Amino acid sequence: QQKVQQSPESLSVPEGGMASLNCTSSDRNFQYFWWYRQHSGEGPKALMSIFSDGDKKEGRFTAHLNKASLHVSLHIRDSQPSDSALYFCAASETGGYKVVFGSGTRLLVSP
Amino acid sequence: GALVYQYPRRTICKSGTSMRMECQAVGFQATSVAWYRQSPQKTFELIALSTVNSAIKYEQNFTQEKFPISHPNLSFSSMTVLNAYLEDRGLYLCGARKDSSAETLYFGSGTRLTVL
Repeated sequence: QQKVQQSPESLSVPEGGMASLNCTSSDRNFQYFWWYRQHSGEGPKALMSIFSDGDKKEGRFTAHLNKASLHVSLHIRDSQPSDSALYFCAASETGGYKVVFGSGTRLLVSP
Repeated sequence: GALVYQYPRRTICKSGTSMRMECQAVGFQATSVAWYRQSPQKTFELIALSTVNSAIKYEQNFTQEKFPISHPNLSFSSMTVLNAYLEDRGLYLCGARKDSSAETLYFGSGTRLTVL
């Protein structure tokens, strides 16, 4: 069973809309979470890290973490066609070096 | 900024042959480097984690005998896929972090391996 599960598998939103991506961990040792974005033909690039409960906002991107439920989400407001990509949730144990990735959500933003 | 370059971007090798890929950190010191393989289905598998001054730790299903890694200094790492077969195909990604605490991994664009 995957330790980091993402939903939905794919998501389509219109340009200017809100995209919401979800991630749930099955391992309570995970304390550090990241969202990565991967465009076709490129490696994944870190969008945001979130280590504390609550919201973290960076521009159009807001991440939310609830450690009690091991749930982290990413919300993209005013979505742009350039946001179309694969989005991965990643998690790591406290002080650990191993980062585990989810299976990804494919986001398509249509003009 | 933190940049990671991987070379080559793409490589094709015959079944049973070997190929080496390189990873260069630019603008920061990579105290730890993680090698991943991304399958054609886009899932990530951690191959091994290499931390300066520590032994390289390989994940289950991956061995030093098959995927030898070198991490000679704080800016360079290389990995070889020995005796490659069809199941070894995929995008090999190098992720480097700046220090040994839990911090963001910076990835290169990967080396795409095709095995004929």
